[in-house]
Amino acid sequence: NAGVTQTPKFRILKIGQSMTLQCAQDMNHNYMYWYRQDPGMGLKLIYYSVGAGITDKGEVPNGYNVSRSTTEDFPLRLELAAPSQTSVYFCASRIRGDSTDTQYFGPGTRLTVL
Amino acid sequence: AQKVTQAQTEISVVEKEDVTLDCVYETRDTTYYLFWYKQPPSGELVFLIRRNSFDEQNEISGRYSWNFQKSTSSFNFTITASQVVDSAVYFCALSGTISGSARQLTFGSGTQLTVLP
Repeated sequence: NAGVTQTPKFRILKIGQSMTLQCAQDMNHNYMYWYRQDPGMGLKLIYYSVGAGITDKGEVPNGYNVSRSTTEDFPLRLELAAPSQTSVYFCASRIRGDSTDTQYFGPGTRLTVL
Repeated sequence: AQKVTQAQTEISVVEKEDVTLDCVYETRDTTYYLFWYKQPPSGELVFLIRRNSFDEQNEISGRYSWNFQKSTSSFNFTITASQVVDSAVYFCALSGTISGSARQLTFGSGTQLTVLP
């Protein structure tokens, strides 16, 4: 198993550009999450999904969109990039029924908006 | 709403010293898990330990140990005989309900540990 994979690893955007951060998992996990980590801070939840076709907002959803058309993939879309979205983005997944609440994290995508 | 507080922003120790990282949490859930993650300079998140809310037994795993006290809502993490490779940011995290069966992790702001040779 590759676990949770994220692409790209690094990206620089100009203000107003758009992009999609890719996240995929091959563990057949039902739950998937997107977090952002600002410099010197902990992770904050952007969006989450409990299964294909079902998504919901987390703590900091403004400026982002998600979709979940398959169990494996959970892309995060930035429509109009702003400097405030400069951050490291982590995707995570968890299997339904795991009573330990353990999430498996991808390696992260470092995004800079100039 | 849940909250995790790591009051120590930065800690520096000399190699072979013991170091304890503090974590205090707030939650209304009766069932939850507490975690410690390590983030080395390479940036990935490495899972270290996990403890559920019903088990206050403290444990030792190699050079790692943890002290979970529900009465004070604390989940402190100790590294014994620290090594330079332990230098990293350490995050405490708390699981909780978002809605229905969905669960999320709430992270503290992290403690930067520097182990000097």
